[in-house]
Amino acid sequence: QSVLTQPPSVSAAPGQKVTISCSGSSSNIGNNYVSWYQQLPGTAPKLLIYDSNKRPSGIPDRFSGSKSATSATLGITGLQTGDEADYYCGTWDSSLSAGVFGGGTKLTVL
Amino acid sequence: QVQLVQSGAEVKKPGSSVKVSCKASGGTFRTYGISWVRQAPGQGLEWMGRIIPTLGIANNAQKFQGRVTITADKSTSTGYMELSSLRSEDTAVYYCAREDCSTISCQYYPYYYGMDVWGQGTTVTVSS
Repeated sequence: QSVLTQPPSVSAAPGQKVTISCSGSSSNIGNNYVSWYQQLPGTAPKLLIYDSNKRPSGIPDRFSGSKSATSATLGITGLQTGDEADYYCGTWDSSLSAGVFGGGTKLTVL
Repeated sequence: QVQLVQSGAEVKKPGSSVKVSCKASGGTFRTYGISWVRQAPGQGLEWMGRIIPTLGIANNAQKFQGRVTITADKSTSTGYMELSSLRSEDTAVYYCAREDCSTISCQYYPYYYGMDVWGQGTTVTVSS
């Protein structure tokens, strides 16, 4: 059972928009920095978003992040078949003194 | 361009130990934190622990207390993760990942920049 809660799967058509939620608590999302990762099949995770809503260099602006209280959201617009992947949220948990991840969300682009 | 290169795949017997290395190239190792994350077959990401070499600070997940040792050798820019008393459930891909501590204190602002560079992963198979 993951500390952060994500929906197991989401789907949308090419060109559409999708959002992925990540729910936590005051000890993790509420008071720490949220990151989002994309994991394509058979590859290492890749950082998409840090500090809730900032994109590293090279990440297209189709990817966005937001945070409100103890929840965070990843948004992807202009969906492409290449976006089909597993997406994970992650942060630090101050009570556990440990990093934590969500269980992951599988995105299907229909 | 920072790169993390991990050691090769391992096959281990139950009850034994494994030590995975993660060598950094490019950048300045002393400004990194190194985290270890594993992924069992078909499962999600699981945080194992993290070390900030310059501060000598290491945190491990409670689940692995007493079984995991995370270290770093600044002279060779290499991080290590050793897992002992291996069981079949430890079969997984083990990743190292960098945490950029060059402009912020990772001790007080953990994962502000996230885990921005990842190793290629090391497959550890535990089987009798």
